[in-house]
Order: sequence, then structure tokens, then C-alpha cells
Amino acid sequence: GENVEQHPSTLSVQEGDSAVIKCTYSDSASNYFPWYKQELGKGPQLIIDIRSNVGEKKDQRIAVTLNKTAKHFSLHITETQPEDSAVYFCAASISSNYQLIWGAGTKLIIKP
Amino acid sequence: GAGVSQSPSNKVTEKGKDVELRCDPISGHTALYWYRQSLGQGLEFLIYFQGNSAPDKSGLPSDRFSAERTGGSVSTLTIQRTQQEDSAVYLCASSWDMNTEAFFGQGTRLTVV
Repeated sequence: GENVEQHPSTLSVQEGDSAVIKCTYSDSASNYFPWYKQELGKGPQLIIDIRSNVGEKKDQRIAVTLNKTAKHFSLHITETQPEDSAVYFCAASISSNYQLIWGAGTKLIIKP
Repeated sequence: GAGVSQSPSNKVTEKGKDVELRCDPISGHTALYWYRQSLGQGLEFLIYFQGNSAPDKSGLPSDRFSAERTGGSVSTLTIQRTQQEDSAVYLCASSWDMNTEAFFGQGTRLTVV
């Protein structure tokens, strides 16, 4: 079955610097890759997603890149701000299958 | 409501008691998911509903766990004879269909003492 690995488990960056979180997946049939942000005491919230027919998607300071050959995708956050501090989860799924397979999460800490 | 609503937000129960957790999805969403999240951990898939049907219940940890969904809307997750290892946050999410954005509720924090 599908397996998603996420790295690093914790990432600490200086405010204003960029942060990159990487995920790899095992099933080459996976075609949907969302990223969720979870703040303390709240449920995860979708911040960006990408489907396998594109290689990159950007939304203001957030971007996601997908390398289907290598079966990995990454979240890039530029000009980090204190409110970016949270736990970020990647996930992958196949269109014919309901189930999102989740990474273990990355705790992002923005140092002032 | 505007979002996914879960109740109660917090539940403390004695070991051995039964508990029922409720999820009100966003109106019109056909897909509904239950997850469990232990402190500082990732999301553990429990069950998925498409309408009132649950195609896959294999994520439920034991036969003490059950879930139902009625009218294609509200879902309840029941845990019988609770154990201390059941303590976690139980998250519900809904989406228009599978592989579309899932909207999460705030979760129910269950503590078994």
C-alpha cells in the first residue's frame, strides 16, 4: 500500500528566512498531494494542494513542487512570519481511492 | 453551520464507560472521515463514509469502536468499554467527494481516567 514519509520532523528557521518540508510517496499511481497546517488546538486546514498533471503551484508565500519521477513533493514557505509556526502535514492519494495517506508531520518553529 | 462541528469538545470518562462522539459535517458534503490523533503525533485514519455507507472500516482499532452516519449527514463514533489508550483527539473531516479538500472540525479531546 501507499506510504508517505515526511522530513524533517522539526524545523526551526529565523523569521524572514525560507522553510522547506519534503515528502516522499511509494505508490506511483498517487495523483493528489495536499498540504495541511495544524495550529495548536485546532484541526488541520488545507493550505495548498497539487495534482499530478502539474509540477509546481504557488500561492503568495507558499509553493509546492512535485517530482513524479522521484516520487517526492515539497512545501516551500518564503519570508516566514511568526504566524507560520504550526505543524504541517503532507498527504497523498489515488483518485480511485478515498483514502489520504498522511505524513507524520513537521513542527515548524519561526524564531523572532 | 459554516464548518464541521464536533461535540463535545472535551470529554473525560472513566475507564470501562462508553462514549459517543458526534460530527456535523458541512451541508452537502458526501464524504466524511474520522481520524485519531495522539499528542504530538500524526493522523490515524479510522473510517470513511461515502453517504451513509462505510466502504472501509479496517482503520478502527478494535471491535470496541463503531461508527454510523445517518441521512448522509451527522455521524457518531462510539467507543465501548473505554481504555486509557483510547485517550486522544478524535478529528472529523468532510469533503464534497473523495480527493477534494477535506475540512476538519476542532476535534474532541477524549481523556480516559
